[in-house]
Amino acid sequence: GAVVSQHPSRVICKSGTSVKIECRSLDFQATTMFWYRQFPKQSLMLMATSNEGSKATYEQGVEKDKFLINHASLTLSTLTVTSAHPEDSSFYICSASGGGTGYTFGSGTRLTVV
Amino acid sequence: QQQVKQSPQSLIVQKGGISIINCAYENTAFDYFPWYQQFPGKGPALLIAIRPDVSEKKEGRFTISFNKSAKQFSLHIMDSQPGDSATYFCAASRDGAGSYQLTFGKGTKLSVIP
Repeated sequence: GAVVSQHPSRVICKSGTSVKIECRSLDFQATTMFWYRQFPKQSLMLMATSNEGSKATYEQGVEKDKFLINHASLTLSTLTVTSAHPEDSSFYICSASGGGTGYTFGSGTRLTVV
Repeated sequence: QQQVKQSPQSLIVQKGGISIINCAYENTAFDYFPWYQQFPGKGPALLIAIRPDVSEKKEGRFTISFNKSAKQFSLHIMDSQPGDSATYFCAASRDGAGSYQLTFGKGTKLSVIP
């Protein structure tokens, strides 16, 4: 089946620094990538949708200059949290789709900003 | 019209019992209704999914019942086991290919006690 690899699984960074999260589709071409944020005991909140080679479409209330999404290839999308602050601490999850594979989720990244 | 309402918020079931989680949607354009299972610190994993042209789908101990006229669907877990203890999310989308975003319910935390 379709597999999505997300790295890192956990990251701790200092306030003010930037963190990059990678999401790779291992056995299919991901034409569409969805990035979610999940707070403890809450549901997944869609942050943005990106199609390969195009600019990401951000949901209302998500700062596009803070959460930079790059989807330059059919197998890799990255989310960069710029100038991270403690309130950005959360669980970030990617989901990739393409070629009729449906939605395949990554294993998530726990970001802690100290 | 994008909401998916899920209940209950939490559920405690004895081992061997039946777990039932319900969802209701408003948007009649939704055409794909998956259920996801999520363990702490992990990404959601697809459990079972249904389209509106069938009223029921069964895979092992998991069954989706779908009522198109009522715009409701539910997950039944038969012979619930402690290993089923997780958070379950219903979702809906305009198709299952992954072209459109998934709209998630708020989740149900299931605890199966021995």
